Amino acid sequence: GQNIDQPTEMTATEGAIVQINCTYQTSGFNGLFWYQQHAGEAPTFLSYNVLDGLEEKGRFSSFLSRSKGYSYLLLKELQMKDSASYLCAPMDSNYQLIWGAGTKLIIKP
Amino acid sequence: NAGVTQTPKFRVLKTGQSMTLLCAQDMNHEYMYWYRQDPGMGLRLIHYSVGEGTTAKGEVPDGYNVSRLKKQNFLLGLESAAPSQTSVYFCASSGDSHQPQHFGDGTRLSIL
Repeated sequence: GQNIDQPTEMTATEGAIVQINCTYQTSGFNGLFWYQQHAGEAPTFLSYNVLDGLEEKGRFSSFLSRSKGYSYLLLKELQMKDSASYLCAPMDSNYQLIWGAGTKLIIKP
Repeated sequence: NAGVTQTPKFRVLKTGQSMTLLCAQDMNHEYMYWYRQDPGMGLRLIHYSVGEGTTAKGEVPDGYNVSRLKKQNFLLGLESAAPSQTSVYFCASSGDSHQPQHFGDGTRLSIL
């Protein structure tokens, strides 16, 4: 079956760095997306990885290891507005996104 | 650009009633999707469309129907609403399968 595993909740301090891990098992693989979702709002796109390695985009970076079925999202210089859920979504062989339940990130002053 | 617009934003139905949720996008995207999001669970795909006049079943299609008569619109219908369909419904669109999906603000639907 297809499965996504992310921590349910994480807490970090404003100004710090946090890494949100995601492990996945899918039928085939065509890349992995990360989305941010603030409470009561729609998901918004953060990053897309299709090859192994690190993709950096400002304060956010995303890493992928296809052989390990593993990805992480790295958030630097945390701000209060980064308090949100972060959704890991690999794409399977049918080009369908398989969505994790998300990691709720709580930023404390 | 408005992006993806969903109507209505909120709705309360009684068991057995029918309704249609409307999704409109102005980005000329080929692909459109309907998801439901329930507490503690990931987004689940209900139906999707890869172009005007085409629709396909997703992970949880039972109890729902869809139509894509125009490229910019994707309609989700509930023929006979059940309490298990209480959820937040999101519509999304993308240029193709590898491009990011853009989401509407969601429809919060309660079935009593």
